[in-house]
Amino acid sequence: GQQVKQSSPSLTVQEGGISILNCDYENDMFDYFAWYKKYPDNSPTLLISVRSNVDKREDGRLTVFLNKSGKHFSLHITASQPEDTAVYLCAAGPYGNEKITFGAGTKLTIKP
Amino acid sequence: GPKVLQIPSHQIIDMGQMVTLNCDPVSNHLYFYWYKQILGQQMEFLVNFYNGKVMEKSKLFKDQFSVERPDGSYFTLKIQPTALEDSAVYFCASSLDIFNQAPLFGEGTRLSVL
Repeated sequence: GQQVKQSSPSLTVQEGGISILNCDYENDMFDYFAWYKKYPDNSPTLLISVRSNVDKREDGRLTVFLNKSGKHFSLHITASQPEDTAVYLCAAGPYGNEKITFGAGTKLTIKP
Repeated sequence: GPKVLQIPSHQIIDMGQMVTLNCDPVSNHLYFYWYKQILGQQMEFLVNFYNGKVMEKSKLFKDQFSVERPDGSYFTLKIQPTALEDSAVYFCASSLDIFNQAPLFGEGTRLSVL
């Protein structure tokens, strides 16, 4: 079964709004949680990541929230802009992130 | 910034032939990875490689697959012989370590097996 799930294949948000992307995982041993951004025909690019010893991390307009008991983490993008339009992949892995498992992706569209 | 380069971006071969996918990782990186993404599906881990050896591989890493990085040059994925189900985009990644740095991905090589 899928160890990392993104239940929403797509999401549309108005420019200036908050985009919330969600990810659920199954493996209790996962300790590393990350969000990647991917444009068509481009490489997945790491946006932000956290270890399980924190439940929140902010970086500019991006915030990752981690709920370990619920096996859930999310990415919040504030003041969403058209250039945020892309596919967002969540990813999780064990303590050493040598084997990252990716979600299927959520296509985020920011409407001007 | 540093980049992982994959050559070529698209390769078309006949079923049963051998194919080698090339990856030029970031020069000081020590860990190397291959991921496979079939059209419409999620990107899945194939194998990781460190110090000249495979550290871990998934069940997708069939016996027909092999990886190597001879003399610190390209990190390669060889498939011999290829099968139709090997058609996918293969992403290479590299990282300096596995605790403090996430892998940096290349743009992928689209392999079409006919």
